[in-house]
Amino acid sequence: EAGVAQSPRYKIIEKRQSVAFWCNPISGHATLYWYQQILGQGPKLLIQFQNNGVVDDSQLPKDRFSAERLKGVDSTLKIQPAKLEDSAVYLCASSLRRLQETQYFGPGTRLLVL
Amino acid sequence: AQSVTQLDSHVSVSEGTPVLLRCNYSSSYSPSLFWYVQHPNKGLQLLLKYTSAATLVKGINGFEAEFKKSETSFHLTKPSAHMSDAAEYFCVVSGGSNYKLTFGKGTLLTVNP
Repeated sequence: EAGVAQSPRYKIIEKRQSVAFWCNPISGHATLYWYQQILGQGPKLLIQFQNNGVVDDSQLPKDRFSAERLKGVDSTLKIQPAKLEDSAVYLCASSLRRLQETQYFGPGTRLLVL
Repeated sequence: AQSVTQLDSHVSVSEGTPVLLRCNYSSSYSPSLFWYVQHPNKGLQLLLKYTSAATLVKGINGFEAEFKKSETSFHLTKPSAHMSDAAEYFCVVSGGSNYKLTFGKGTLLTVNP
């Protein structure tokens, strides 16, 4: 069974530029999550999708971050414009269903904003 | 509301000696608790999870954890460390209506030969 795929693996941009990350969850997984992991901290949930609907985006900085999962499969997370403090690893995870299901994580995208 | 405190940011052990990574949690719900491991440049991998069944939970690679409600703790142990255990370990609590995961800050485990 293929795992969660993410691309790109690394990205370097300058502040005020825009960037997009892509995630393809495990086949058949209805729930998709985006996390931000700043160096030295644990991952923090940014947004949770159930199929193509948003379940929780309470910690997503909506003035600059957006995410979509149009067909209920893969997802894109965008930052526009980027700030220095957005430098982090962005992790995508998926689970079969929402409640108490194990989340499977992708390798992450490491973003550096200069 | 829920939170996790990992009591040690860095633990160093010798190969073949026991491992203890400490975790305390706070939750308004009956929580589910997890330990995840993160090797360098790799994704998070689930080690074990507690979901209100047996309080002693066995995971992969010889790890286990004990849920102690009276102490609000969920410490991770392994009898004998292996070099391949060197990684970052995260204690995680889940609860509430959408079972959101809240991660601790992580404990870096170093295994010395």
